Amino acid sequence: EAGVTQFPSHSVIEKGQTVTLRCDPISGHDNLYWYRRVMGKEIKFLLHFVKESKQDESGMPNNRFLAERTGGTYSTLKVQPAELEDSGVYFCASSRSTGVGETQYFGPGTRLLVL
Amino acid sequence: GESVGLHLPTLSVQEGDNSIINCAYSNSASDYFIWYKQESGKGPQFIIDIRSNMDKRQGQRVTVLLNKTVKHLSLQIAATQPGDSAVYFCAEPVTSGTYKYIFGTGTRLKVLA
Repeated sequence: EAGVTQFPSHSVIEKGQTVTLRCDPISGHDNLYWYRRVMGKEIKFLLHFVKESKQDESGMPNNRFLAERTGGTYSTLKVQPAELEDSGVYFCASSRSTGVGETQYFGPGTRLLVL
Repeated sequence: GESVGLHLPTLSVQEGDNSIINCAYSNSASDYFIWYKQESGKGPQFIIDIRSNMDKRQGQRVTVLLNKTVKHLSLQIAATQPGDSAVYFCAEPVTSGTYKYIFGTGTRLKVLA
C-alpha cells in the first residue's frame, strides 16, 4: 500500500508569489489533513477534509491560504500571495476514519521557503 | 484549552542505553495518545499509541507509559541505536466536532556513539 505522497518536496519562492502544494492520501482514506511546522515549533493543524468537504478549517492562518479537494481524492493547498512567515514544512496526513484509535499517516512534507 | 507539551527539547543518550522521552498533557478527558518519530527530511511516523484505559503498552523496543493522575506520558526506547536519532512528538487527538491532532514541540533524541 502506497503511503501519503506530497509534491513538491521543496519550494523556494519570493514574497508575493504563489505556491501550490499537492497531497495524495493513502487510497481509500476519506480523511485528509494539512498541518504545518514552522521552524523550531510544534506541528500545527491547518484543516481537515472528509472526502471533498471541509470538516474543520479552524487552523488556517488567513485568507491567503486556500485548500481544495475536488473529487475527494488528492488535495491542494495554495498560498497566495506568500509572505515570509509562511516558510515552514507543510505536512499532509490521511486516515480511513476518525475516532479513538484511528491513526493519521503522514506524508514526507513540503519544505517551503519564502524569501 | 488543550495542550500537549514536552519537558526537554534535546536528549543525548549513549548508544545502547535506554532513552526516556516525556510529555505532559493538560486535558484530563483525553482518552488516546500517540507517539510519532520524525527523522530528518521525512514526515512523522507512527511509533506507538495508548488508550486512557491502559497504563502501559509495549512495542518492539518501545514502551509507552501513561500516568493519568499527573497527566504525564513517556516513551521509553530500550537499547537506543543510532537509527533512533530523530525528533519525537507526542500527540493528542481532539475529537469534538473534528479529528485533529495537537502536537507538542518535540524532543530531539541524539544517540552518541
